[in-house]
Amino acid sequence: AQKVTQAQTEISVVEKEDVTLDCVYETRDTTYYLFWYKQPPSGELVFLIRRNSFDEQNEISGRYSWNFQKSTSSFNFTITASQVVDSAVYFCALSEKDYGQNFVFGPGTRLSVLP
Amino acid sequence: DAGVTQSPTHLIKTRGQQVTLRCSPKSGHDTVSWYQQALGQGPQFIFQYYEEEERQRGNFPDRFSGHQFPNYSSELNVNALLLGDSALYLCASSYGQVRRGELFFGEGSRLTVL
Repeated sequence: AQKVTQAQTEISVVEKEDVTLDCVYETRDTTYYLFWYKQPPSGELVFLIRRNSFDEQNEISGRYSWNFQKSTSSFNFTITASQVVDSAVYFCALSEKDYGQNFVFGPGTRLSVLP
Repeated sequence: DAGVTQSPTHLIKTRGQQVTLRCSPKSGHDTVSWYQQALGQGPQFIFQYYEEEERQRGNFPDRFSGHQFPNYSSELNVNALLLGDSALYLCASSYGQVRRGELFFGEGSRLTVL
């Protein structure tokens, strides 16, 4: 069975603070893909990053960074120097086996960045 | 470059009625998926269409059906609406079926069932 857990339901930080969003996944596949999506109030999900199960190299993109650890089945996301515009719901997602668009999403973490 | 567009944006129905939601994929995309997002939860996969055929289906009853047209646009139909069908329905598109592809989402159709 595949499952994505985001234990943090809501997080509030003050602008310029760093914040880490946690994601833990479960899968029986050895090949799988992990994603982070951002959902602003407008509703559409915006793609942030994709990682495959063979690439544990951590990545930094501007103020965003990702820490993928297969040993703990975690794929955490950090925003450095947070800004008010980062306020949104963030979803971690898992895609496994064959092809298709069947993504399993976590319940999401609502991030509020206060000025 | 138009992104994924969905209509209507909001609608209200009563129990037992039927609803049709529409989606136009991002230009150049040929694969469309539908997701249901209940309030405060993550999106749940309903089904995916490619080459006008349903290719994958999530754990949703047969009341949920769909269609993809030759221009790649898609419809989601829900029959015999239940209160629990109230949700944001998201359409996502991509080029091809490969799971490595990122999905592009529309802003959704918010359905309220009374």
